[in-house]
Amino acid sequence: SQQGEEDPQALSIQEGENATMNCSYKTSINNLQWYRQNSGRGLVHLILIRSNEREKHSGRLRVTLDTSKKSSSLLITASRAADTASYFCATDGGNKLVFGAGTILRVKS
Amino acid sequence: NAGVMQNPRHLVRRRGQEARLRCSPMKGHSHVYWYRQLPEEGLKFMVYLQKENIIDESGMPKERFSAEFPKEGPSILRIQQVVRGDSAAYFCASSLPSARTDTQYFGPGTRLTVL
Repeated sequence: SQQGEEDPQALSIQEGENATMNCSYKTSINNLQWYRQNSGRGLVHLILIRSNEREKHSGRLRVTLDTSKKSSSLLITASRAADTASYFCATDGGNKLVFGAGTILRVKS
Repeated sequence: NAGVMQNPRHLVRRRGQEARLRCSPMKGHSHVYWYRQLPEEGLKFMVYLQKENIIDESGMPKERFSAEFPKEGPSILRIQQVVRGDSAAYFCASSLPSARTDTQYFGPGTRLTVL
């Protein structure tokens, strides 16, 4: 079964607005990562947050991790049309990454 | 420093044919992972290899699928006697030996279409 599950499944916002995506997982983790995938393309690594961290920033991205609730959120501030993509969380599952089904973000200009 | 390379980017096969997907990891990376992505879904782990060794193949279908990572050359994911359900995007990732599930760097993927 999937470890990470994102919500919402799809999100449509106007350029300049903030976008928040959530990820829940089931078992203990060492770290959680967020990836972006543009339509028909490969995955781009966005950010990694370790289990002993609560918040991490990278440019317009802010990731939070709540291990007590087994959840993480990805916030993209001041969104741009180029942020339109699918966003996946991935948790470490031994020798592999375990991905959720993703959130499709559409930023309208 | 070239990233993870995969070829071909698109592959069309008829049912019953064989598909061979290639992956060259990033320079200095000796760990390779293969994932499969069905339409509208996230990536699912298939196999984890080091040079000349399969470390974890828990995600590989029991039949028709095999993977190798020889001492020289790229990693190969081989699908024999393809069926329509094999149509998907296949992604390869690589990592440093110490990294494993820290940061894996993904290739652009091979999109397999089975007619």
